[in-house]
Amino acid sequence: KAGVTQTPRYLIKTRGQQVTLSCSPISGHRSVSWYQQTPGQGLQFLFEYFSETQRNKGNFPGRFSGRQFSNSRSEMNVSTLELGDSALYLCASSSTTSWDEQFFGPGTRLTVL
Amino acid sequence: EDQVTQSPEALRLQEGESSSLNCSYTVSGLRGLFWYRQDPGKGPEFLFTLYSAGEEKEKERLKATLTKKESFLHITAPKPEDSATYLCAVQTGGGNKLTFGTGTQLKVEL
Repeated sequence: KAGVTQTPRYLIKTRGQQVTLSCSPISGHRSVSWYQQTPGQGLQFLFEYFSETQRNKGNFPGRFSGRQFSNSRSEMNVSTLELGDSALYLCASSSTTSWDEQFFGPGTRLTVL
Repeated sequence: EDQVTQSPEALRLQEGESSSLNCSYTVSGLRGLFWYRQDPGKGPEFLFTLYSAGEEKEKERLKATLTKKESFLHITAPKPEDSATYLCAVQTGGGNKLTFGTGTQLKVEL
């Protein structure tokens, strides 16, 4: 069974630009969560989508947004990039039958210059 | 607000030298406590979920236990390939939101 995939794996942007990251969950999984990982703050929850609806939201500014499609694939968007947005962005998926197991993808490394 | 604290921040062990990592938490209404392993440049790898005080789970050289205020990850006779950052996270409320600790960086030397 294929794992969680994220594209692209690496991204370099400049301040003020916007970026879209993509996540394909494990087949059959309907919940997708996004996290930001930085050396200073660790892993922080951004938001969760389930059946195309945002179910949970973390404490991030409105520049961070996401969506989920009918095939459970999810995208997150960051607008007006700031230097502090440089981080590893991870997504995790889980199924409705095994909600207690969340599987992470390899992440997208975003560098903002 | 949910809080998770892991200790120590870093741990260096000799191969075969058993030890424990600690994860203390302050939450309202714990649904589950998760342990993950993360290698450099990779996403976290799921290890265990614990639900109630007194519960224990094992996988190879790892054993996770849970009390009402903390969880321990015991590593028995570690090998160099056990070197990684071990993350603890709690799940509360509805949905799948996890609140993570900052991790313990484990290095096992020959």
